[in-house]
Amino acid sequence: KQEVTQIPAALSVPEGENLVLNCSFTDSAIYNLQWFRQDPGKGLTSLLLIQSSQREQTSGRLNASLDKSSGRSTLYIAASQPGDSATYLCAVRTSGTYKYIFGTGTRLKVLA
Amino acid sequence: EAQVTQNPRYLITVTGKKLTVTCSQNMNHEYMSWYRQDPGLGLRQIYYSMNVEVTDKGDVPEGYKVSRKEKRNFPLILESPSPNQTSLYFCASSPRWGGYISYEQYFGPGTRLTVT
Repeated sequence: KQEVTQIPAALSVPEGENLVLNCSFTDSAIYNLQWFRQDPGKGLTSLLLIQSSQREQTSGRLNASLDKSSGRSTLYIAASQPGDSATYLCAVRTSGTYKYIFGTGTRLKVLA
Repeated sequence: EAQVTQNPRYLITVTGKKLTVTCSQNMNHEYMSWYRQDPGLGLRQIYYSMNVEVTDKGDVPEGYKVSRKEKRNFPLILESPSPNQTSLYFCASSPRWGGYISYEQYFGPGTRLTVT
């Protein structure tokens, strides 16, 4: 059964730092992996979607990489800003299914 | 504006009183899904639908029903709610899927349900 883990659960950094969030999954047979952002009391906003055939995706200051063989994805945030403070979630769609499995998220706080 | 809407946003009810949470999307998406989010457990998928009249169970379907009679709507039904269904519920939709290719999921704002 697919399990998705995100470490650390919480992270606090000063403004301007480059940082990496991690997402691990136990079954490497996936169709895709999606990173989301969730602000307190709000829904989820899609950040990046990586198909299984891709190694990385970029959007602005965000870069997500995917290493299926090792069961890992990283979300790199460059030059962090207080507005980046939120919970970041990853979700995978395992091959042969139409279901998504989510990690429990990393709560990020960027200090001004 | 392209969006997923949910109603109500907040609901307090009593054990056993049937309720329906509505979900609607205006993007002509084929895939729709319901999740619940609980502290320490993250988001767990309840049900999903690949198209009209096509639904299937997610990881936590017990106590819930869904229907997909129209493409834009995917209501979540709790026939006899219990306190362990107190949670934050999200509806999501995604464009047409083609085999192993899937697209971004778009989420609604959430419905906070409390069952006493």
